[in-house]
Amino acid sequence: AQTIHQWPVAEIKAVGSPLSLGCTIKGKSSPNLYWYWQATGGTLQQLFYSITVGQVESVVQLNLSASRPKDDQFILSTEKLLLSHSGFYLCAWSPGGGYEQYFGPGTRLTVL
Amino acid sequence: GDSVTQTEGLVTLTEGLPVMLNCTYQSTYSPFLFWYVQHLNEAPKLLLKSFTDNKRPEHQGFHATLHKSSSSFHLQKSSAQLSDSALYYCALSLQGTGSKLSFGKGAKLTVSP
Repeated sequence: AQTIHQWPVAEIKAVGSPLSLGCTIKGKSSPNLYWYWQATGGTLQQLFYSITVGQVESVVQLNLSASRPKDDQFILSTEKLLLSHSGFYLCAWSPGGGYEQYFGPGTRLTVL
Repeated sequence: GDSVTQTEGLVTLTEGLPVMLNCTYQSTYSPFLFWYVQHLNEAPKLLLKSFTDNKRPEHQGFHATLHKSSSSFHLQKSSAQLSDSALYYCALSLQGTGSKLSFGKGAKLTVSP
């Protein structure tokens, strides 16, 4: 069975500080990987997706960047956090295009 | 562009009454439609997915039927339970794109005794 992990579980960071969030999926080779952001009380906004190692497509950047250094790993980062970056960050995977996506447990980020 | 429009905002029901959350879509091609459920402080979970052969998916008492003629995929349940209280999202994905899953704005369902 496939499992998806995200780290850290939660973060409290200062405005202007750097950020790195991670996502790892086990039990599935060559998955499609996705990053989502959800503001408190808001809907899900897709940020990035990746079909293969080294390739990342941006949907909405929000002054963030993403990388896929390994087949099973997806990283979301920024060098300078903004207050507007606060929210719930979710990593998801799917077996291929047009199929359902399965979400990780998420990372809750608070920027002060 | 491809998009979904769903019941939004707060939906309040009494336990035992039927649940109906609407979802309609706009798409040039034949999409897959999904319903996701998100309980408080948790990640969204897949509830239902449309089939291409007119089968009606069911899960945890919920069901939805894809009607291509009306571009709809409404979520229904005959009798609401307290544990159904959650956020519900309708989402659309195009075959073969490998990319975007478009979510509706979500409906917060609250079931009271």
